[in-house]
Amino acid sequence: AQTVTQSQPEMSVQEAETVTLSCTYDTSENNYYLFWYKQPPSRQMILVIRQEAYKQQNATENRFSVNFQKAAKSFSLKISDSQLGDTAMYFCAFMSGETDKLIFGTGTRLQVFP
Amino acid sequence: GAVVSQHPSRVICKSGTSVKIECRSLDFQATTMFWYRQFPKQSLMLMATSNEGSKATYEQGVEKDKFLINHASLTLSTLTVTSAHPEDSSFYICSALMWVEGNTIYFGEGSWLTVV
Repeated sequence: AQTVTQSQPEMSVQEAETVTLSCTYDTSENNYYLFWYKQPPSRQMILVIRQEAYKQQNATENRFSVNFQKAAKSFSLKISDSQLGDTAMYFCAFMSGETDKLIFGTGTRLQVFP
Repeated sequence: GAVVSQHPSRVICKSGTSVKIECRSLDFQATTMFWYRQFPKQSLMLMATSNEGSKATYEQGVEKDKFLINHASLTLSTLTVTSAHPEDSSFYICSALMWVEGNTIYFGEGSWLTVV
């Protein structure tokens, strides 16, 4: 069974600084997707970034980028130029290419300070 | 991103009654949808996979007779909590699978269920 581990329950960063959220996963599959979702207090799950396992190039979306290390089964999220609106829970998630099921980590609560 | 709408956003029901939550994909067809439950300060727990035109697949430990899932069309899946009890009170959130240069999952806004 696949597992997703987020070892940082809480993180904080000052506005305009850079922060990295960690995520590791375990799977025996070769075809899968990885995601980072943001959940603000509204509870809406917002897709931040997606990475296909077969792609070696790290995904980027504006201020958000990932460091995907397939051999190490690591998928960290870097947020550059942090903004107050980035304050939220961040969930790392694994999607099986076989079942399409999305499995979540326990989340990291990020607080951005002015 | 794609839009997934969930309704109602909040519902209060009495113990013993049933309540239905709808999940709609507004601008794409979703043959596969998923239902999650989230307890306070916890992660999302997958309850079941909803497939259009076929029976839902439930995760281990989820009572299929209590949480009825119907996916009658390519844009609508429903979750019915039957004979609700206070311990069923939770945040329920649906998601839909979309293919855009690979699989992506988009979420509805979620529904708060309170059973009194």
